[in-house]
Amino acid sequence: DTEVTQTPKHLVMGMTNKKSLKCEQHMGHRAMYWYKQKAKKPPELMFVYSYEKLSINESVPSRFSPECPNSSLLNLHLHALQPEDSALYLCASSQVVVGYGTGELFFGEGSRLTVL
Amino acid sequence: KNEVEQSPQNLTAQEGEFITINCSYSVGISALHWLQQHPGGGIVSLFMLSSGKKKHGRLIATINIQEKHSSLHITASHPRDSAVYICAVKTSGSRLTFGEGTQLTVNP
Repeated sequence: DTEVTQTPKHLVMGMTNKKSLKCEQHMGHRAMYWYKQKAKKPPELMFVYSYEKLSINESVPSRFSPECPNSSLLNLHLHALQPEDSALYLCASSQVVVGYGTGELFFGEGSRLTVL
Repeated sequence: KNEVEQSPQNLTAQEGEFITINCSYSVGISALHWLQQHPGGGIVSLFMLSSGKKKHGRLIATINIQEKHSSLHITASHPRDSAVYICAVKTSGSRLTFGEGTQLTVNP
């Protein structure tokens, strides 16, 4: 199984809603990532989890709250979002190697979020 | 100036043509990734390179560390190859720096 599965594929929410994006992988990868991608732009890193611990937060607003309940799952909790947060949210995973090396990245299909 | 520059930004080819997409970077890297993104979003990792050359089917990726340059070649291009191709370099830690992408359209 070399898949990263993201749900839901599409999400429409109001600015007062609370919702969550989910990501799952069963490749034994110990690094998991959230990226945000606006149309016609490259992905922007939001968060990195390494061995279920948050290792990088790229100064993301607190209305985005990541959670890694176990080594296979990564959630992104959304609350009080703004219309400009509408984007494709991509999850990725990779093997964690000692030091700074990481292996090949595996991406999910993304969750397309629209904030009204 | 971006740390990762791709060229061309847009490329239109006829089916069967040989295609080259270039990536230049200005920082020290430990690895370079070539990624493919189809409309609708999902990204597929095509190659991860730290030296030399890799081949997978009709795709070939090369990297010249001294010249800080990588190329992605597609032989016998097909309309299903139409996608955005993204070069990303790994500098330190878990961060990737992405190029702006090359939109490839292959016409039948």
